Amino acid sequence: GESVGLHLPTLSVQEGDNSIINCAYSNSASDYFIWYKQESGKGPQFIIDIRSNMDKRQGQRVTVLLNKTVKHLSLQIAATQPGDSAVYFCAEKGETSGSRLTFGEGTQLTVNP
Amino acid sequence: DAGVTQSPTHLIKTRGQQVTLRCSPKSGHDTVSWYQQALGQGPQFIFQYYEEEERQRGNFPDRFSGHQFPNYSSELNVNALLLGDSALYLCASSLGGLANKYFGPGTRLTVL
Repeated sequence: GESVGLHLPTLSVQEGDNSIINCAYSNSASDYFIWYKQESGKGPQFIIDIRSNMDKRQGQRVTVLLNKTVKHLSLQIAATQPGDSAVYFCAEKGETSGSRLTFGEGTQLTVNP
Repeated sequence: DAGVTQSPTHLIKTRGQQVTLRCSPKSGHDTVSWYQQALGQGPQFIFQYYEEEERQRGNFPDRFSGHQFPNYSSELNVNALLLGDSALYLCASSLGGLANKYFGPGTRLTVL
């Protein structure tokens, strides 16, 4: 079946370094993608989104890259801070999925001071 | 501007019981979706409500049902609880059936 998955379950970086979290998806009909940050015991927090007609989108300290050819999505966090430590999920929506999002299993990002 | 709110925050039930969870969407939103998140997993779509009707449904049994009220708030009901229903239940809202970007804090359900 269709799925969204992440390459690495954990990522550990030093404070101040840049972080890159990757995500592979299998639904070629996906037209919208979102990255979420989830801290322990809390709901997912929207970080940034991108539509399938774009390759790159930048926010504050974050950049999302979309490669539709290989069905790959990445989240880059610049100058990672301890407060960035959390689980990061990518989610995708198919063209005919309404508002339904399909999530991957998440990557645990740990930022060491 | 209030975000998505959910109640209660925590709930403990025993097998076979029934539970009702509540969600108020972000101000201005009219579409509500419910997700189940098991420990260590990503959220799984349960169903979506728009204009007081269930519009989409994920792969969940009929024990999971819902309702949307005229003020756009929503309830999730789970009957005949199983141990495997223990999870964080998340509500997300949007406008006009668009993708639900904004999630609430969730209700942690524990079934003993």
